[in-house]
Parts: sequence; structure tokens; C-alpha cells
Amino acid sequence: ELKVEQNPLFLSMQEGKNYTIYCNYSTTSDRLYWYRQDPGKSLESLFVLLSNGAVKQEGRLMASLDTKARLSTLHITAAVHDLSATYFCAVDDYQLIWGAGTKLIIKP
Amino acid sequence: DTGVSQNPRHKITKRGQNVTFRCDPISEHNRLYWYRQTLGQGPEFLTYFQNEAQLEKSRLLSDRFSAERPKGSFSTLEIQRTEQGDSAMYLCASSTPGQGYGYTFGSGTRLTVV
Repeated sequence: ELKVEQNPLFLSMQEGKNYTIYCNYSTTSDRLYWYRQDPGKSLESLFVLLSNGAVKQEGRLMASLDTKARLSTLHITAAVHDLSATYFCAVDDYQLIWGAGTKLIIKP
Repeated sequence: DTGVSQNPRHKITKRGQNVTFRCDPISEHNRLYWYRQTLGQGPEFLTYFQNEAQLEKSRLLSDRFSAERPKGSFSTLEIQRTEQGDSAMYLCASSTPGQGYGYTFGSGTRLTVV
């Protein structure tokens, strides 16, 4: 059974700090996605990672994919309050298999 | 095209009633997906269409659930004889190969069964 595990599930941090969210998965898929979800809202696509070694950056967020280790990371640099949300990784195995999400709270 | 559209945004229904949700995908996307998300959890796959063909259904999709995509355009998800456990956010997404494999999600329909 394909599993996608995120950690941590909850993260509270101060503005200005750096942190990394980890996403481990158990399939050989090389397509992984990161999404952001605000409370009561739908899912906003952040990054699409399609190959081993893929690295993408947008503002204070950077995502990477290591298909050999079956690991993706979402790195937050100098966090700001507006980044508070729940972040999901999802692996594409002809349907999306989702992690449980990381609830990120950034305190001003 | 403004993205994936879902209606209604919210639905409150009494247990035992039938409900139907609609999803209008991005027009050039030939794949359409339904997911269900309960509070504090990641989405769970329900079913998937390529054009008008329903290619896969999750075991979560009991016989009370049915989905259609006539003519390969919009899709409907019907739940018959709703139960309280059906209360969730129902999300629709569309995609097409060749566009980075990205999936675009609609705003969702939040169902509350009382």
C-alpha cells in the first residue's frame, strides 16, 4: 500500500526563522506536488516536482525531490506570518496520494 | 477560463436525503477527479474520469455514491441516502497531460449532514 508520511504534523515558529517540512513516500513515483490550504479553503498548488533532483523556489519557499531516497522537502526561509497555513505533499500514482498535512503557525 | 468551478459551495441536508454536486473543470482538461476531505485530514481519492469514461473508483465510493461526466465536460457527484459520516468537503480537480502534470482544484463543496 502506498503511504505518504509528512512530518512534523504541527509546527509553531517565530517570524524570521527557517524550517523544513519532510515528506516521505513508499512508491517509485517521480511526480510529487506541494499544496497550501488555508482554513475552510481549497488547495492551492505550490510546486510540481517531476524528476529526481528537482528543486523549485517561489519567494520564501523552496521544494526539492530525491526520488532515490523517496523524500521531498519544503524549506521555509525567514518565515512571515502570511505563510501560516496547512501544507500538504501528494504523490502522483495515477491518483494523488496525500500526506496528512503540516499545520504551520508563524507567530509575529 | 477562471479555473475549476464547484457548486454549491455549501450544502446542509438531513440524513437520508439525496444530494448532488457539480464540477466544471478547466475546459481544455480531459481528466477530472473527485476527492473527499474531512477536517484535519488530507484529501482521499474517490473517482477519476478521462473524458467521459470513469476509469477508477475508490473502495471508499460505496454504492450510495455515483459520479457521471456526460460528454466529457462537467461532472456530477450524487450521494444517495446521506449519512452523518458523509459530512466532508468534496473537492474536484482537473488536469491534462503535457501541462506539467499539475492538478487544479476547485473551491470545494462542504456537505453537512444533520
